[in-house]
Amino acid sequence: QQQVKQSPQSLIVQKGGIPIINCAYENTAFDYFPWYQQFPGKGPALLIAIRPDVSEKKEGRFTISFNKSAKQFSLHIMDSQPGDSATYFCAAATSGSRLTFGEGTQLTVNP
Amino acid sequence: DGGITQSPKYLFRKEGQNVTLSCEQNLNHDAMYWYRQDPGQGLRLIYYSQIVNDFQKGDIAEGYSVSREKKESFPLTVTSAQKNPTAFYLCASSIQGGWNTEAFFGQGTRLTVV
Repeated sequence: QQQVKQSPQSLIVQKGGIPIINCAYENTAFDYFPWYQQFPGKGPALLIAIRPDVSEKKEGRFTISFNKSAKQFSLHIMDSQPGDSATYFCAAATSGSRLTFGEGTQLTVNP
Repeated sequence: DGGITQSPKYLFRKEGQNVTLSCEQNLNHDAMYWYRQDPGQGLRLIYYSQIVNDFQKGDIAEGYSVSREKKESFPLTVTSAQKNPTAFYLCASSIQGGWNTEAFFGQGTRLTVV
């Protein structure tokens, strides 16, 4: 029940494309859904996060869509750039239960 | 600059040796964490500490040990009991003990058994 399933495992798009990464969870008590971005050889950094009281959140070119009834959330990257090439992790938590990470998606944006 | 500092960046260990990975933060965060990252497996929690002098096992604590004698420091020892220690180790911290807040990560330590 603590699992977060992330797909796809890898994704290749052309510059300007809109990659979409999906995550699904089981624990309905989760109330915090962050996305982390990790460049090779570096630690992850928080990209954007959402709480279940909203269905969408945008920060620049990054958008989280949240579907509470389906227990799914996704990351969309508008006008993707080669500099967006990184590994993206979704995660979920409550105040009292540990942050559970998805398996990660390796995104490549070709010039 | 505030942040989390992990050292060393690269570490090589011989079979049967214990090694200690350093993690220091100057963010005044209460909670600190150690994660292990292997290709295709996401981040798995090894140990965490929500307050000084207290820590709990995560999902994969076997073969690891930690201490939390100071708020700023949370070293991880990889013991000889850890059968497959080659991995990328990440330390993180957050402002409070609740899990639903931003975690700040260090740059990681890549440990290789030789």
